[in-house]
This record gives sequence, C-alpha cells and structure tokens, in this order.
Amino acid sequence: SAVISQKPSRDICQRGTSLTIQCQVDSQVTMMFWYRQQPGQSLTLIATANQGSEATYESGFVIDKFPISRPNLTFSTLTVSNMSPEDSSIYLCSVERRDEQFFGPGTRLTVL
Amino acid sequence: QKEVEQDPGPLSVPEGAIVSLNCTYSNSAFQYFMWYRQYSRKGPELLMYTYSSGNKEDGRFTAQVDKSSKYISLFIRDSQPSDSATYLCAMAISNFGNEKLTFGTGTRLTIIP
Repeated sequence: SAVISQKPSRDICQRGTSLTIQCQVDSQVTMMFWYRQQPGQSLTLIATANQGSEATYESGFVIDKFPISRPNLTFSTLTVSNMSPEDSSIYLCSVERRDEQFFGPGTRLTVL
Repeated sequence: QKEVEQDPGPLSVPEGAIVSLNCTYSNSAFQYFMWYRQYSRKGPELLMYTYSSGNKEDGRFTAQVDKSSKYISLFIRDSQPSDSATYLCAMAISNFGNEKLTFGTGTRLTIIP
C-alpha cells in the first residue's frame, strides 16, 4: 500500500479566496491524481500530475481554476482558485503503486 | 446517461445477512472493475478488483462481473458492523493503476448489530 497524507484535513473559506491543498506520499511515485467528491456525486478525476511535466486536466476542469504543482516524486499541491460555494467538496489525491490506486484521506472544503 | 450507475441507498441490513451491491455501466470499453470501501472521513480503500467475467472470491467478499449485461456486483457474506461504510464501484479501460477511474456514486451500507 501507500501512506498518503493531505493538508489541511478540512477548511472553511470565504468566496473569492484560494486554498492550496498538499499531498505527501511516503515514497516516490510516478503518477499522482487529484479527485473531487461532491455530496451525492461520484468521485471525479480533476487532473493527473506527473513529475516534471504539466498536469493533464479532465474535461470540465481548467488550469486557471485548479493549478497543480508536482515539484518532486513524493509531493503535489492542488489550488482551488477564486472559490465559490459550488467548490465545496472533498478533494482527494491518489497515487499509483503496483498497478493499484491508493487514496489519501481527503480535504473537506466548505466555501461560504 | 451516466457511464456508471450505482444505487445510492442507504442500505441497512441486520448483522449476519448477505449484502448485494450493484453497478451497471454503459461503456463497453471498460475492462477493469473495482470495489472500494470508504469509511466516514477517510479516503477510499481498494477492496477487490477483477478484469474478467465471472466471480472472484476473497474471504467474505465476492465480486461478480457480467460483461455481456454490463453489470457488476459485490456480495458480502456474514456481514459485520465493521462492514458499515460507503461502497464505491469503479471502472477503467486499461490497467487501472495509471488510468482514469470512473466511479459510481457509492452505496452507503449500515450493518445493524
């Protein structure tokens, strides 16, 4: 398995502000994924982040709204920019190891 | 139409009962099928995966895939209160380690002692 930590675990933010979520893995991984889990909806992939290259975004998600950094093989950040109440969700990072995807505990974001 | 449909529940059953959780899908390109378990305020954890039609058993859990009907199931035998969680089905077109996973909405299960 993989030990994945996320910071913060939860936050309450004001409309129009930005929040950066950190994801730390216990050992090096090639691919990291960022998902969103909205109430009553399925986990949805936001983007895939490989170290040393630009993140690849899924349809409906853009870099200006969700910029991602991947400075090394154990760390990534996702920023939720110019937040609105519709961005209230759980954000999860995931990593690939031995042909499986392992998920972090998630960051619960509430936007007022 | 969603690519993956899953009954959101909630589902409550008495301890010891057999639980059946189901998903249907519309994309015939899906080849890998997974079940994740998610406890409250935790991330999903992989429970089982399979890539062929038929049954795969692991302890009290059995994953069933019917590609012709585009239907997958997870059966839990002798259910325990510790099985209370949200169960998510997920699918991928190829090797699911480094591929986009498409999830169902999850079924919230409660096992009543």
